[in-house]
Amino acid sequence: QSALTQPPSASGYPGQPVTISCTGSSSDVGGYNYVSWYQQHPGKAPKLIIYEVSERPSGVPDRFSGSRSGNTASLTVSGLQAEDEADYYCSSYAGNNNLVFGGGTKLTVL
Amino acid sequence: QLQLQESGPGLVKPSETLSLTCTVSGGSITRSSYYWGWIRQPPGKGLEWIGTIYHSGTTDYNPSLKSRVTISLDTSKNQFSLRLNSVTAADTAVYYCARLLYSSSSFANWGQGTLVTVSS
Repeated sequence: QSALTQPPSASGYPGQPVTISCTGSSSDVGGYNYVSWYQQHPGKAPKLIIYEVSERPSGVPDRFSGSRSGNTASLTVSGLQAEDEADYYCSSYAGNNNLVFGGGTKLTVL
Repeated sequence: QLQLQESGPGLVKPSETLSLTCTVSGGSITRSSYYWGWIRQPPGKGLEWIGTIYHSGTTDYNPSLKSRVTISLDTSKNQFSLRLNSVTAADTAVYYCARLLYSSSSFANWGQGTLVTVSS
């Protein structure tokens, strides 16, 4: 199984929206409704912010949203805030009880 | 509230076995709705799923690591463990234990992580 493809970096100004993509295949992202997104601040453990493509765990701000089109999933942060500056990782179920992560995207708030 | 904490040696010699333990508090590891996993992150790099163990003891491993990995439960101590043998410098990473939500294949609770360096 290959890692999912994410852009290495993304950026935006406070208050603006930014979208991060996560591209896989029909064997993972496109084949199952089990795409997750994690936020990781420097030196910290990842935090789940989206599961099942577009669901938010309790306590995650609603400015975070997820979607999918074909084999590409997307995370959108609407109304960027300074504290959103972090690394973001997608993951997907890949069949046969396997999981795969993306390479990560560093989000900078300008 | 469920909490996880990794423990184990921070330095392992090449060709030896890396052994880590995850202690779970706030819930029983044998609860039928709980599943557990290990994930690692080399310095400055992305996350890699290592494997998953279910409350029954059944395991699934990343195909790229399967020949070297063993994950097990210790129900008497409410812990689960990771063993990775024949390590090389490429296995240097922060190792995280986490709880897997099986219904969504997402990791909902994470330990703080522990850095393991492979070096002679």
